[in-house]
Amino acid sequence: ILNVEQSPQSLHVQEGDSTNFTCSFPSSNFYALHWYRWETAKSPEALFVMTLNGDEKKKGRISATLNTKEGYSYLYIKGSQPEDSATYLCAFPLKAAGNKLTFGGGTRVLVKP
Amino acid sequence: SQTIHQWPATLVQPVGSPLSLECTVEGTSNPNLYWYRQAAGRGLQLLFYSVGIGQISSEVPQNLSASRPQDRQFILSSKKLLLSDSGFYLCAWSVERSGTGLLVPNSPLHFGNGTRLTVT
Repeated sequence: ILNVEQSPQSLHVQEGDSTNFTCSFPSSNFYALHWYRWETAKSPEALFVMTLNGDEKKKGRISATLNTKEGYSYLYIKGSQPEDSATYLCAFPLKAAGNKLTFGGGTRVLVKP
Repeated sequence: SQTIHQWPATLVQPVGSPLSLECTVEGTSNPNLYWYRQAAGRGLQLLFYSVGIGQISSEVPQNLSASRPQDRQFILSSKKLLLSDSGFYLCAWSVERSGTGLLVPNSPLHFGNGTRLTVT
């Protein structure tokens, strides 16, 4: 994988259900993996910056795991609420590009009441 | 605490007109500064970044330019807008911890509220 890819592009979740989605990134020259949440009419907000293989980070009902050897990260939302509706972006600093962050296309999550 | 201000929030400009978007950061010194764009149906694309006053790196050949006249001020400009310049522009900053002027890969970005630019 040469780029940062996210799947699915969008998903609809019923309020109270849990969900997860994926970010894939180049597994070589890993340094860090970023997750951002972008709510409508707001600016993107950093959720997590993950640096260690096997790392798991948690913020409220949102958590993320990291597998640097195979090049993927999962973001989980437990017991989704309407306020979780947002686009979730992951970003990877490309070492070959001077550590500039390359963003995935995002996963747009819509939580239905 | 640090804050970032970006203006204007929305802008409608005719083709061929000039552009100036401004971004300022408060509460931090010597930040790395960035301009990103989100075109319709696409992800965030890095346009420019700056590790210091007067130091601008351009990522994509385009009709735009950036300047950093002061430590915490970043300006995105164009002399003549094209229809393809329409999009959502985000300014961001990150902490420059290394002291080398290089981007720090585990330093999160802090974004402004964005400017919705429509070129007609």
